[in-house]
Amino acid sequence: GQSLEQPSEVTAVEGAIVQINCTYQTSGFYGLSWYQQHDGGAPTFLSYNGLDGLEETGRFSSFLSRSDSYGYLLLQELQMKDSASYFCAVRDNYGQNFVFGPGTRLSVLP
Amino acid sequence: KAGVTQTPRYLIKTRGQQVTLSCSPISGHRSVSWYQQTPGQGLQFLFEYFSETQRNKGNFPGRFSGRQFSNSRSEMNVSTLELGDSALYLCASSLATTNEKLFFGSGTQLSVL
Repeated sequence: GQSLEQPSEVTAVEGAIVQINCTYQTSGFYGLSWYQQHDGGAPTFLSYNGLDGLEETGRFSSFLSRSDSYGYLLLQELQMKDSASYFCAVRDNYGQNFVFGPGTRLSVLP
Repeated sequence: KAGVTQTPRYLIKTRGQQVTLSCSPISGHRSVSWYQQTPGQGLQFLFEYFSETQRNKGNFPGRFSGRQFSNSRSEMNVSTLELGDSALYLCASSLATTNEKLFFGSGTQLSVL
């Protein structure tokens, strides 16, 4: 089975950089994805790492290390609108269904 | 391009009743998956459909069922509702079952009284 762990809450100030970690125990998966969900809203796709290394998309970057069973989402130049919950997810390469982490609630302070 | 549409947005039911939720995927997307989201359990996978066939099923009781139509629209049904079924039910679509990018609808908030 799959199991993902994330910190429950992170707080940072506007303009700062924050890193949200995701550690996992899995027998096999295709890659690590990240989703953002604002309160009352739908989760939206942020990034995907199919290979080890860093992927950059604007202010957001994501990293994967399969040897360390670890990944992270890096948010730079934080803005108030970045206050949301962030979920890491893997698609199990056996059952092929998505497994989501418990989510990290990011609060950006002025 | 229209996004994923879920109806209804809110639903209140009583224990023992049944409920049907609807999901219209993005045009051209053939894979539809369903998730239950609760504060305590997070996002949990219910099932996934592709070309009218259930491809995967999560660890939920048989009271939870679904189906997909030829136009890729999907419905999920919960029978004999329990208080613990109160949750946000999210539908997501993607081009294929192996596609990593899911597009979510805004969900149906189900309250069971």
